[in-house]
Amino acid sequence: AQSVTQLDSHVSVSEGTPVLLRCNYSSSYSPSLFWYVQHPNKGLQLLLKYTSAATLVKGINGFEAEFKKSETSFHLTKPSAHMSDAAEYFCVVTISGSARQLTFGSGTQLTVLP
Amino acid sequence: DTAVSQTPKYLVTQMGNDKSIKCEQNLGHDTMYWYKQDSKKFLKIMFSYNNKELIINETVPNRFSPKSPDKAHLNLHINSLELGDSAVYFCASSQANGDSPLHFGNGTRLTVT
Repeated sequence: AQSVTQLDSHVSVSEGTPVLLRCNYSSSYSPSLFWYVQHPNKGLQLLLKYTSAATLVKGINGFEAEFKKSETSFHLTKPSAHMSDAAEYFCVVTISGSARQLTFGSGTQLTVLP
Repeated sequence: DTAVSQTPKYLVTQMGNDKSIKCEQNLGHDTMYWYKQDSKKFLKIMFSYNNKELIINETVPNRFSPKSPDKAHLNLHINSLELGDSAVYFCASSQANGDSPLHFGNGTRLTVT
């Protein structure tokens, strides 16, 4: 069994300040982890993925995430928020190698204040 | 050159009607999916097809029926629509390998009145 928990349903930051979106996972097997972003009225777009290679993963738009097995976490960070980062963010876990077992988190709404 | 395209973008209909949503992908992927996103943004998988064969069929009413004429298309037919069917439906595709990310369409917002 597997699960994913996004610890904050809403995060609000000021433009130019760091972003931290938290994600904890549970998996009985070696997991693959993803972060997706959803802008209003759009589909989800892949930000980055972890698949048992380097634990620090760099994605698009300056985002990165670190896989910490001891903490079962995969938090998403960005050093400096931009107004265009305002969106819904989803953490996703799957059993490595299995497209059938994707489990989505409940999402975190990021608001960026001017 | 949209990768995953679904139509229509908006669909407003009355209870009891039958409607279809179409999805096409030009990425050469062999697996396609339908997801339902509710008003709280929660995403739930409904169906998955691999090379035109159903591989995931979650607990959804049998009023929902997917049809895959070829591996580039996965349509969703909904019979006898109910108020609770109102949601945003997303089509997605990927390679079968679980490490391959999903590519999503822009969604179809279904409103049942």
